[in-house]
Amino acid sequence: AQSVTQLDSQVPVFEEAPVELRCNYSSSVSVYLFWYVQYPNQGLQLLLKYLSGSTLVKGINGFEAEFNKSQTSFHLRKPSVHISDTAEYFCAVITPYSGAGSYQLTFGKGTKLSVIP
Amino acid sequence: DSGVTQTPKHLITATGQRVTLRCSPRSGDLSVYWYQQSLDQGLQFLIQYYNGEERAKGNILERFSAQQFPDLHSELNLSSLELGDSALYFCASSVVTSGVGGEQFFGPGTRLTVL
Repeated sequence: AQSVTQLDSQVPVFEEAPVELRCNYSSSVSVYLFWYVQYPNQGLQLLLKYLSGSTLVKGINGFEAEFNKSQTSFHLRKPSVHISDTAEYFCAVITPYSGAGSYQLTFGKGTKLSVIP
Repeated sequence: DSGVTQTPKHLITATGQRVTLRCSPRSGDLSVYWYQQSLDQGLQFLIQYYNGEERAKGNILERFSAQQFPDLHSELNLSSLELGDSALYFCASSVVTSGVGGEQFFGPGTRLTVL
């Protein structure tokens, strides 16, 4: 079964500083990886996704992530964070279901990013 | 605004009771997914429906059930509620069920508190 590990449960960072949120996955087959963001009292919003092709994926709000097959990682980065980036970030992997093209998202435990003014 | 609506926003009930959570997917989306988010378990996939039919099942308890109606809205029924069922329940929808490119759009969630 595929799984996702987010190594940091909380990451505080000063405004305008760079940030990296770490995500490692375990899978013996091809993977499809996602980063979602959850702002306080809201649902999840897709930041970016890796399906195939270039290993550097750019998303919304200036975020990007790099797929590294040899290290089984998909770390999320932003060169300069803003107060508005304060949220919880979830890494997720597609878990193929033994059905007709069905699949489910398996999420990591999440990383709370706190941007300090 | 993702276009996915969930009602109610908050629900407080007692142990042993039964509740129904409702989800309306984005216009045109045929797939509906239910997730549970709790402090100890994190975000877990419960169940998926596609055009009225169950397509995938995750960590859904036998006390829980779901259905998707002809108008594509979905309901998640939780019965014999226990304290541990207190969580945020999310609904998501997507336009495709085959392939992996279909983005899932999440609703704002229903916060269930079991006292």
